[in-house]
Amino acid sequence: GNSVTQMEGPVTLSEEAFLTINCTYTATGYPSLFWYVQYPGEGLQLLLKATKADDKGSNKGFEATYRKETTSFHLEKGSVQVSDSAVYFCALSTDSWGKLQFGAGTQVVVTP
Amino acid sequence: DGGITQSPKYLFRKEGQNVTLSCEQNLNHDAMYWYRQDPGQGLRLIYYSQIVNDFQKGDIAEGYSVSREKKESFPLTVTSAQKNPTAFYLCASSLNRVDTQYFGPGTRLTVL
Repeated sequence: GNSVTQMEGPVTLSEEAFLTINCTYTATGYPSLFWYVQYPGEGLQLLLKATKADDKGSNKGFEATYRKETTSFHLEKGSVQVSDSAVYFCALSTDSWGKLQFGAGTQVVVTP
Repeated sequence: DGGITQSPKYLFRKEGQNVTLSCEQNLNHDAMYWYRQDPGQGLRLIYYSQIVNDFQKGDIAEGYSVSREKKESFPLTVTSAQKNPTAFYLCASSLNRVDTQYFGPGTRLTVL
């Protein structure tokens, strides 16, 4: 079956540091890949997505590239802010009916 | 304003009682979903509906029921048969079954 594995948190960083959150997946076919962000006490917001190999999704300074050869979709941001403190979820869906398979989430804490 | 609303934000229930969580969307989306989130875990799919008057079980449907009588509404009932109902419940919708899912703000259910 499909599965998503992402690095465990919490990840604690200082403001302006570089952030990487690793995400790898197992899937049949050609999944679409997503990063969602969840701020404390809120629902999930779509951060970025990529639908085919070598696509790069980007939004709000975050980037992730769909790497089929390594089955990865790592999230990066060059300079984090305190407001980036949240839980980040990697997810995939397949073409069959769009079910989202989520990773366990990675909590990111950015300190001033 | 277009979006997904969930009510109430916090809900308390006594053991043995059924409770219904509301989810409404004005995005004209065909597909709607219910997820459960437990601390430190990813989201798990409870039920989904691809079209009005149709719905299917997700991965953890036992102890839950849904209805889809209107396109914009997808209420979830947590029954007394659900053994461990305390959790954060998230509703999502998408234009169709393979399109990107957008999430509501969530309802936190606590069983006393």
